[in-house]
Amino acid sequence: GAGVSQTPSNKVTEKGKYVELRCDPISGHTALYWYRQSLGQGPEFLIYFQGTGAADDSGLPNDRFFAVRPEGSVSTLKIQRTERGDSAVYLCASSQQYRGDWNEQFFGPGTRLTVL
Amino acid sequence: DAKTTQPPSMDCAEGRAANLPCNHSTISGNEYVYWYRQIHSQGPQYIIHGLKNNETNEMASLIITEDRKSSTLILPHATLRDTAVYYCIVRVAGDKIIFGKGTRLHILP
Repeated sequence: GAGVSQTPSNKVTEKGKYVELRCDPISGHTALYWYRQSLGQGPEFLIYFQGTGAADDSGLPNDRFFAVRPEGSVSTLKIQRTERGDSAVYLCASSQQYRGDWNEQFFGPGTRLTVL
Repeated sequence: DAKTTQPPSMDCAEGRAANLPCNHSTISGNEYVYWYRQIHSQGPQYIIHGLKNNETNEMASLIITEDRKSSTLILPHATLRDTAVYYCIVRVAGDKIIFGKGTRLHILP
């Protein structure tokens, strides 16, 4: 079946611009996670949605970063006034509960953001 | 901070078993041990997880010590396609993942 998809696969923008990154989770998955990965590092948690609401946004680095999931499916990560330090691969993952236990997180291929 | 300690890199000959160690001495009673791997330019991929019993699936085996303070991921017959960064993670099921730096596994032909 279809996995987690992310668009665009690559995004190049200029410092100070606004960008939106989209994540389509696996159908039926109620939990959705955003991570970002800098070169040579492991992925870093940003925010986690349970349904439409953000259950944990403790990883968002500052108020330039915002994410939404209005209908409990697709999510958009929004970055305002981009900075060169925002350049990274942004990963999305989804998971679901099965018989009260959580399944593993399935990751998308990521969006590579480059801020010039 | 990640709650696990892994060697930064390991080599393994193709066709041999790859044994990847992980220390997690501060693991809590409700935390599982998860393993993910990340092949170059791809998102992380789930491999296996366990609570206290050893686990096996089509990809790998997970051996957890009785005190749960360490574990070993075993890839029984490593192939070149197993070259990746392997992450050992401890977490409550359903929670966010806190990744460390993982072990970079090189499979040698």
